[in-house]
Amino acid sequence: AQRVTQPEKLLSVFKGAPVELKCNYSYSGSPELFWYVQYSRQRLQLLLRHISRESIKGFTADLNKGETSFHLKKPFAQEEDSAMYYCALARSGYSTLTFGKGTMLLVSP
Amino acid sequence: IAGITQAPTSQILAAGRRMTLRCTQDMRHNAMYWYRQDLGLGLRLIHYSNTAGTTGKGEVPDGYSVSRANTDDFPLTLASAVPSQTSVYFCASSKGQDTGELFFGEGSRLTVL
Repeated sequence: AQRVTQPEKLLSVFKGAPVELKCNYSYSGSPELFWYVQYSRQRLQLLLRHISRESIKGFTADLNKGETSFHLKKPFAQEEDSAMYYCALARSGYSTLTFGKGTMLLVSP
Repeated sequence: IAGITQAPTSQILAAGRRMTLRCTQDMRHNAMYWYRQDLGLGLRLIHYSNTAGTTGKGEVPDGYSVSRANTDDFPLTLASAVPSQTSVYFCASSKGQDTGELFFGEGSRLTVL
């Protein structure tokens, strides 16, 4: 069975500081990895996926199969980045997602 | 643009009562899902449906049932609610069963006393 681990429940940084939200996974096959974000009073929404290799709102994430990681990074955090972030995994060819427990990011001025 | 609509937004329910959470989508997506969100546990899949007429069990299906009579609707029923089912429930949909991009509703907060 697949598993997604987000070791930090809460990450607090100052505005302008670099941010790295950690995500590790366990899955024997070839996974598809995603980051979802939930801003206050908004719906959970897709932030980015590893297959698109794009940068959204300044965030990037690289799939490291050797370390089974998919960490989310941003060089300079903004206050509007404060939200709950979920890492998620799907088996290749399926869309039922397994989510991590989430990391709350707080960016202070 | 409605997307996914869930009802009710919030509900307090006595233990032992039956409750149906409604979910409707207007995007003509084939696949639909129900997740529960609990503090410290993240989102866990309850049931899913890859297409109208089919359903499947997720990670935590016990105590819940679903039906998918048509493409747009995917209700979640608690036959006899228990306090451990106190949670925020999210309905989601995706275009197909192999896309990985889910579109979520705003959630239904259920409290079972």
